[in-house]
Amino acid sequence: GAVVSQHPSRVICKSGTSVKIECRSLDFQATTMFWYRQFPKQSLMLMATSNEGSKATYEQGVEKDKFLINHASLTLSTLTVTSAHPEDSSFYICSARVDGTQKAFFGQGTRLTVV
Amino acid sequence: LAKTTQPISMDSYEGQEVNITCSHNNIATNDYITWYQQFPSQGPRFIIQGYKTKVTNEVASLFIPADRKSSTLSLPRVSLSDTAVYYCLVGGSIGANNLFFGTGTRLTVIP
Repeated sequence: GAVVSQHPSRVICKSGTSVKIECRSLDFQATTMFWYRQFPKQSLMLMATSNEGSKATYEQGVEKDKFLINHASLTLSTLTVTSAHPEDSSFYICSARVDGTQKAFFGQGTRLTVV
Repeated sequence: LAKTTQPISMDSYEGQEVNITCSHNNIATNDYITWYQQFPSQGPRFIIQGYKTKVTNEVASLFIPADRKSSTLSLPRVSLSDTAVYYCLVGGSIGANNLFFGTGTRLTVIP
């Protein structure tokens, strides 16, 4: 099956610093990738959709200057949480849609803790 | 956007067949129906996808009636390791950013 690798799986950072999360499609090309965050006992909330070579589309209420998304290649998208605050602590998950299909596969998720 | 409605939770005994139904009354013509499984602190895992009628793979079956306003995920002979949250998603058309999650169904398998 298609594999999506997300790194790091867990990160702790200090308030005010920035953290970068990588999402790679290992065995397929993905023009479109999705970024989600998930709070305990809740469903996944779509933050933004990124398309290779163009600006990401952010969902309502998601600050684009705080959550920077770069999708510079067909196999890699990155999410940078800038000037992190404790309320940004969450589980972040990426997804990549296989080009030419309607199938999307998910990374393992990144547990971010801001102290 | 096609909104989905699923039962919040279900319980089942080991070895039984489990059917989880999802309602999606305003599904669009180009929309596919996809089911994912999620364990705590992990990303969702793709289970099955279909457009109409019946789809079967090594882990599940997906039944879609002719009007496509609902779908049923069938898990044969569940085990304790099938305890997870199951999500039904509708959409995913190429070029569209409509991969939204609903509340999901929390399945608990009882020994």
